[in-house]
Amino acid sequence: DAGVIQSPRHEVTEMGQEVTLRCKPISGHNSLFWYRQTMMRGLELLIYFNNNVPIDDSGMPEDRFSAKMPNASFSTLKIQPSEPRDSAVYFCASSRDGFYNEQFFGPGTRLTVL
Amino acid sequence: KQEVTQIPAALSVPEGENLVLNCSFTDSAIYNLQWFRQDPGKGLTSLLLIQSSQREQTSGRLNASLDKSSGRSTLYIAASQPGDSATYLCALISSGSARQLTFGSGTQLTVLP
Repeated sequence: DAGVIQSPRHEVTEMGQEVTLRCKPISGHNSLFWYRQTMMRGLELLIYFNNNVPIDDSGMPEDRFSAKMPNASFSTLKIQPSEPRDSAVYFCASSRDGFYNEQFFGPGTRLTVL
Repeated sequence: KQEVTQIPAALSVPEGENLVLNCSFTDSAIYNLQWFRQDPGKGLTSLLLIQSSQREQTSGRLNASLDKSSGRSTLYIAASQPGDSATYLCALISSGSARQLTFGSGTQLTVLP
């Protein structure tokens, strides 16, 4: 298996623009997680899905952030409009069954909002 | 609220040394605990997962232990190698009705050749 795939790997955009991050989980994994990592706040869980259904989005910072999982093999995290403080590395991870099993992380998307 | 602490923030050891990384937590009501390593500019790699009912897990030169009563987990690395240099993070899942995930801030390990 190729592991968790994220795209793009790097994104530079201007404040106010819409940003869409993409993730393909490991085949057969039922759970998908979106994280954000910054120097100041470390790793934060933004949202996670079980069987394509959002279970807990309490970590989503603001209404500007939204996430979807239209099928078992694809998820998006969208920021609209983006702000400089959204600059971070965004990771996607997947597991066989929620938090009970190991999570496998993608390589991340480094987002810079100017 | 669960607080997870990893001390020291950075550690440098000579190659071949056995070492222990620490992870302390304030709430013992945990579901499981996972250790990761993160290489610069990369994602996290899962090392070991310990369920709440377990005391330790082993994989190769790595051994992770869990002591809920004292609020501690340790990651033991035997015969360290330069390739072990990375940041090591622990992550806890709480056992409440709503799963809460908390990461420690990590220990940056450097193994000197």
